[in-house]
Amino acid sequence: NAGVTQTPKFRVLKTGQSMTLLCAQDMNHEYMYWYRQDPGMGLRLIHYSVGEGTTAKGEVPDGYNVSRLKKQNFLLGLESAAPSQTSVYFCASSPLLSRIPSEQFFGPGTRLTVL
Amino acid sequence: GENVEQHPSTLSVQEGDSAVIKCTYSDSASNYFPWYKQELGKRPQLIIDIRSNVGEKKDQRIAVTLNKTAKHFSLHITETQPEDSAVYFCAPRGLSSGAGSYQLTFGKGTKLSVIP
Repeated sequence: NAGVTQTPKFRVLKTGQSMTLLCAQDMNHEYMYWYRQDPGMGLRLIHYSVGEGTTAKGEVPDGYNVSRLKKQNFLLGLESAAPSQTSVYFCASSPLLSRIPSEQFFGPGTRLTVL
Repeated sequence: GENVEQHPSTLSVQEGDSAVIKCTYSDSASNYFPWYKQELGKRPQLIIDIRSNVGEKKDQRIAVTLNKTAKHFSLHITETQPEDSAVYFCAPRGLSSGAGSYQLTFGKGTKLSVIP
């Protein structure tokens, strides 16, 4: 099992460029999440999904879009990158266990720099 | 949404000493209280969690205690070792986040340094 994987690992963008971050999990988890991590800020939830075809906004959704067309994949898009989106992005997934909260499994992260 | 505060933000201890990190939260309906550890350059990983029907849980050198009345829970690490050096995050799950979402609200983290 690869667990949660993220592509790419690093990326440098110019202001205004677009890109898509891919998250994939092979654990058959229902729930998937995208976080950003900035120094001193902990992890902040951008968007999440409770199942294939569904997405919802988290704490800091502005400037990002997501899609979950397949259960195992969760894509995060930046339509017009801004320097404020320079961050480390983590994807996570968790199983559905009779509606009991459970562990979130994180990917290795993507370090994005917007110039 | 849930307001989460962690204290202290940094903590240095001598190897072999104990470390305690406290997390306070605002949503009285919160029912799940995990702690994550993140080593430098790595992904966060769950180290221990507790649910609202339990007051304390222990796993070898780490333990979590919960005080629902005061709305705080704490991470306790005994006999600290250099490999315990990392950033630790609390991430309570409040029902105000939405019953079906299982969202966690992460604290800002505590950087623990264990001095050999």
